[in-house]
Amino acid sequence: DSGVTQTPKHLITATGQRVTLRCSPRSGDLSVYWYQQSLDQGLQFLIQYYNGEERAKGNILERFSAQQFPDLHSELNLSSLELGDSALYFCASSASGRVSTEAFFGQGTRLTVV
Amino acid sequence: AQSVTQLGSHVSVSEGALVLLRCNYSSSVPPYLFWYVQYPNQGLQLLLKYTSAATLVKGINGFEAEFKKSETSFHLTKPSAHMSDAAEYFCAVSIFGNEQLTFGTGTRLTIIP
Repeated sequence: DSGVTQTPKHLITATGQRVTLRCSPRSGDLSVYWYQQSLDQGLQFLIQYYNGEERAKGNILERFSAQQFPDLHSELNLSSLELGDSALYFCASSASGRVSTEAFFGQGTRLTVV
Repeated sequence: AQSVTQLGSHVSVSEGALVLLRCNYSSSVPPYLFWYVQYPNQGLQLLLKYTSAATLVKGINGFEAEFKKSETSFHLTKPSAHMSDAAEYFCAVSIFGNEQLTFGTGTRLTIIP
């Protein structure tokens, strides 16, 4: 158990809908990262937050947004969903905002868009 | 921009044989390099990392990797494979000041009894 909790584990929704994925980082970790893993794109970095502030942005679509709350949990919001958004979405956390510090991954949320 | 290339999407080795998973990187500045393992229906777990200290890095579960700048490589090895090593392995790169991991496409390791 990495200590990073992601909910829900599975999500099935229709095209055009909006969903929210939740991540609780390890106790004491200030930084949260979101990654998308799909068969055609592989593992891609989406966005990073550090202590409530956006720190880095990767290949995140405009239809996607995220935030980190004062209690350090994070949410990833996906809207106007398309079939191609079906993927495994991982959250990771680390103590610092530095990637050289080990990042611990949650078990992921598997999103299926039908 | 930095990138990694993993040679071989599938590797099969016999139990007790040497495991060698290949990773080559591209980076214009000194990189940080990582190997992660993903077991079925699990998240990623860090095996080991190189952050400009010793070039031979030892990780968990008996794995190690050697950073070779001249070859731009960071191959993962384990002297003797166990059945429990069957999983998908990802090489990743990052650089100072760009705090995101860029992953390779992964190598699925199968252990033959």
